[in-house]
Amino acid sequence: EAGVTQFPSHSVIEKGQTVTLRCDPISGHDNLYWYRRVMGKEIKFLLHFVKESKQDESGMPNNRFLAERTGGTYSTLKVQPAELEDSGVYFCASSQIATYYEQYFGPGTRLTVT
Amino acid sequence: RKEVEQDPGPFNVPEGATVAFNCTYSNSASQSFFWYRQDCRKEPKLLMSVYSSGNEDGRFTAQLNRASQYISLLIRDSKLSDSATYLCVVNEGTYKYIFGTGTRLKVLA
Repeated sequence: EAGVTQFPSHSVIEKGQTVTLRCDPISGHDNLYWYRRVMGKEIKFLLHFVKESKQDESGMPNNRFLAERTGGTYSTLKVQPAELEDSGVYFCASSQIATYYEQYFGPGTRLTVT
Repeated sequence: RKEVEQDPGPFNVPEGATVAFNCTYSNSASQSFFWYRQDCRKEPKLLMSVYSSGNEDGRFTAQLNRASQYISLLIRDSKLSDSATYLCVVNEGTYKYIFGTGTRLKVLA
């Protein structure tokens, strides 16, 4: 069974540009999460989808971040315009509804904003 | 105060040693607890869930102390391949995970 996949693995952009990150969850996992780790800090929750619906976006830093999950399959996280402090590793995770507490993580997208 | 606190280490131990990590959490209403392992530049991988009764998986033993609000991970007979960062994760009853900063372990030959 394929795990959570994320694309791209790395992205280097300039301040002010736009970047879109993609996550494909494990097949059949209705829960999808985005997390972020900035340098030297712990991994922090950004938001949670159940199928196509946003359930909790309390961790989203500001309105420069937009997450979507049209059709309830893959998800995208767009940062527009990117700022220097957005640099970090963005992880996606997924879980089944019944075992929501066991989350499986993707390899992450390393974003560098210069 | 951080919600989940861990000693960042590194813990440098020889092969075959026993090593233990602790993690404290601030919310007494927390419901689920996990240890994840993260190798350098890789994704966190679930190592084990932590139950009130304690649980063991091979060389790994996890314990939960609700009264003192800490969880522990014991690794016996350390292997070189155990070198990684161990992440303490707490779930407060919602869907989101709360992570500690991780404890780095280096097992030396």
